[in-house]
Amino acid sequence: NAGVTQTPKFQVLKTGQSMTLQCAQDMNHEYMSWYRQDPGMGLRLIHYSVGAGITDQGEVPNGYNVSRSTTEDFPLRLLSAAPSQTSVYFCASKGRFNTEAFFGQGTRLTVV
Amino acid sequence: TQLLEQSPQFLSIQEGENLTVYCNSSSVFSSLQWYRQEPGEGPVLLVTVVTGGEVKKLKRLTFQFGDARKDSSLHITAAQPGDTGLYLCAGAANNQGGKLIFGQGTELSVKP
Repeated sequence: NAGVTQTPKFQVLKTGQSMTLQCAQDMNHEYMSWYRQDPGMGLRLIHYSVGAGITDQGEVPNGYNVSRSTTEDFPLRLLSAAPSQTSVYFCASKGRFNTEAFFGQGTRLTVV
Repeated sequence: TQLLEQSPQFLSIQEGENLTVYCNSSSVFSSLQWYRQEPGEGPVLLVTVVTGGEVKKLKRLTFQFGDARKDSSLHITAAQPGDTGLYLCAGAANNQGGKLIFGQGTELSVKP
């Protein structure tokens, strides 16, 4: 059972480049979320989804897009990378009737 | 906007000492969770508290949910070097589709 799988684990981008962070879960969870983690700021919610075809903004959505075409996948797109988006990104999934969130191993992104 | 204030942000203690981490909010949460995160990994759930006044114990860790469901604490008795890590509290609000709001985290270092 793979749980939540994020790719890539590391990425370096130049300012202005675009890229997609991939997230897949095999637990048939309805809820999926993207967080960014910066020193001293805990985890901040970027976007989340309560099911296929449904997404909503979190605390820090600017500069990021998401879509949820299937239950399993929840990709995060950076449209035009900025140095302020240098961070560690975590994807999480959660079942409707379970309070526990399961996290991927993270993607460390550096924008130069 | 719901916020969770976690304190202290950093804690460095000697093996055998006791410690308490606090998580406070002005908002009511339907449940509150504590996660532990190791370097290079995603957070892993330690416990979920749901009922106001609830106390849960996990070996040397004691978790408490405030009567008004706005705050929580984590107490570690006789800390060990293996307890070193980042501790995060997270709140789930009613009718928020599984959205979790995280505190800033407490970086704990237990020295032998």
